[in-house]
Amino acid sequence: GEDVEQSLFLSVREGDSSVINCTYTDSSSTYLYWYKQEPGAGLQLLTYIFSNMDMKQDQRLTVLLNKKDKHLSLRIADTQTGDSAIYFCAESPLSGGYNKLIFGAGTRLAVHP
Amino acid sequence: KAGVTQTPRYLIKTRGQQVTLSCSPISGHRSVSWYQQTPGQGLQFLFEYFSETQRNKGNFPGRFSGRQFSNSRSEMNVSTLELGDSALYLCASSSGGGVTQYFGPGTRLLVL
Repeated sequence: GEDVEQSLFLSVREGDSSVINCTYTDSSSTYLYWYKQEPGAGLQLLTYIFSNMDMKQDQRLTVLLNKKDKHLSLRIADTQTGDSAIYFCAESPLSGGYNKLIFGAGTRLAVHP
Repeated sequence: KAGVTQTPRYLIKTRGQQVTLSCSPISGHRSVSWYQQTPGQGLQFLFEYFSETQRNKGNFPGRFSGRQFSNSRSEMNVSTLELGDSALYLCASSSGGGVTQYFGPGTRLLVL
């Protein structure tokens, strides 16, 4: 089946690293994504990783993928107050092509001084 | 390049009415997907259109329909609105063969 799970809330201090975790169920998923949503806004694509990769780094963002455990994580280095938002993990099952995304419930990241 | 645009941004309707939402994709993008976002169900895929054809469909009743025009602009229609249709409707565009989708700001629909 298709299901993506995330913890709902994470609180970090400004300047620390944040790690948001996600598990997915569909082993056929070719790409996995991280999106950010700020209040009243749409979804902003942060980064994505191909399923045959273990890690991808993009400036302050590091994505780790453990395909055996179907576990995906997003690390944000030097977290800033502007990073406060909801972060969604998403998978793209092979059956749906690239454009049918299955999203997790989202992790609300709160950054405090 | 201009991003994905959606109109209107906010809409209030009453039960039983119908509504049409519009989405203009990023220039050159031929695929448009629609998602519904609610507090209870989260983000759910509605359907995807590519070159004026529905390429993929989620698990929604037939009251939800869509179409795509030759310029890749897309509309979705919800007939016989129910209270539970109140949601943020997001549209996303991609190049069709690409792996990344870019989302618009959404249309917030309130059904009274």
